[in-house]
Amino acid sequence: GENVEQHPSTLSVQEGDSAVIKCTYSDSASNYFPWYKQELGKGPQLIIDIRSNVGEKKDQRIAVTLNKTAKHFSLHITETQPEDSAVYFCAATLGGSFQKLVFGTGTRLLVSP
Amino acid sequence: GAVVSQHPSRVICKSGTSVKIECRSLDFQATTMFWYRQFPKQSLMLMATSNEGSKATYEQGVEKDKFLINHASLTLSTLTVTSAHPEDSSFYICSARFATEAFFGQGTRLTVV
Repeated sequence: GENVEQHPSTLSVQEGDSAVIKCTYSDSASNYFPWYKQELGKGPQLIIDIRSNVGEKKDQRIAVTLNKTAKHFSLHITETQPEDSAVYFCAATLGGSFQKLVFGTGTRLLVSP
Repeated sequence: GAVVSQHPSRVICKSGTSVKIECRSLDFQATTMFWYRQFPKQSLMLMATSNEGSKATYEQGVEKDKFLINHASLTLSTLTVTSAHPEDSSFYICSARFATEAFFGQGTRLTVV
């Protein structure tokens, strides 16, 4: 089955710096890779996603890159702000059809003012 | 984005009692919903896939008689934790597919005393 590894587990940056979170997956048939932000006591919120036919996607300060050959994808947050502090999860579909999502282990991002 | 509403957000129950958690898709119909369990500082673990009008599909190691899932309509899935015990205390989260994206509810914090 699919296995998704995520690094780092914790990341501390100063406000205005960039943050990068990396994930690797094992199933070459996976074709959808979302990123979620989870604040304390709340459910995950989709912040950006990418499909296997695209190498990069950007939405304002957030971008995601995908390297299908290496089976890894990354989340890039620029000009970080304190409100970006949260736990971020990457995920990948199990197989080629969107039947299940397998989540990474999460990254706790702390942005200090 | 699509809205998924989960209720209640918090519940405390006594050992041996049953608790029902509701997951509603508010502005779309969801033939498939997913139920996750999340322990503190850990990732989301898929418990089961709920299919409208048919039996749920449980992940390996999840007791179907313990965690009853009913998906009687296209907008509502329920998870009932039967004969709850303290080890069932956790954060339960549902999600629903809309097109090719997954949207999550706010989560339910279950505490069994």
